[in-house]
Amino acid sequence: EVQLVESGGGFVQPGGSLRLSCEASGFTFSNYFMNWVRQAPGKGPEWIAYVSTSSATIYYADSVKGRFTISRDNAKNTMYLQMNSLRAEDTAIYYCARINYGNWFDPWGQGTLVTVSS
Amino acid sequence: EIVLTQSPATLSLSPGERATLSCRASQSVSSYLAWYQQKPGQAPRLLIYDASIRVTGIPARFSGSGSGTDFTLTISSLEPEDFGLYYCQQRTNGRYSFGQGTKLEIK
Repeated sequence: EVQLVESGGGFVQPGGSLRLSCEASGFTFSNYFMNWVRQAPGKGPEWIAYVSTSSATIYYADSVKGRFTISRDNAKNTMYLQMNSLRAEDTAIYYCARINYGNWFDPWGQGTLVTVSS
Repeated sequence: EIVLTQSPATLSLSPGERATLSCRASQSVSSYLAWYQQKPGQAPRLLIYDASIRVTGIPARFSGSGSGTDFTLTISSLEPEDFGLYYCQQRTNGRYSFGQGTKLEIK
């Protein structure tokens, strides 16, 4: 069974840092492009970062560029999101999602909650 | 940045009725559009990609249409499990954006 499991969320003060992980199983992780997506309470999803299979190509949404870093370790079947200089507006459930059917997000993990508050 | 606008914000229908959800892009996305369903407490689930291709395992009552800037998700005859949130998503130059969603609720 294809599975993505996020971890590393929690409560952090503004200006702080967190590192999220997304562990993949049930498929050949190194063959797939991956993404991070977040969803603030009561809002629609927001794509925030993309990484290609070899990490040669990386894209960020403007809202996180310069503060967040996406990476992956294919030997560990794991993708990461290093989040620095966190703000209250970064509060959300963070999902990892595999690219499937060419360009689309399938499946998604169950999400990990990040709360930024003083 | 391409903005996706979904309408209506809320759609109240009864089981057995036909649902028509719209998604309009601020500029052409060709056929690079997908639809997702989200239930409370769950992650979104891909239903339709490339505007009109149904994901394996998604019931035939779900269909997508459109290209360019105007897209439609149609559910031909609503089942109780179809009620929830629906989002459209586009891809341009390696970047993505989502619509704000349509809540499909039981009337």
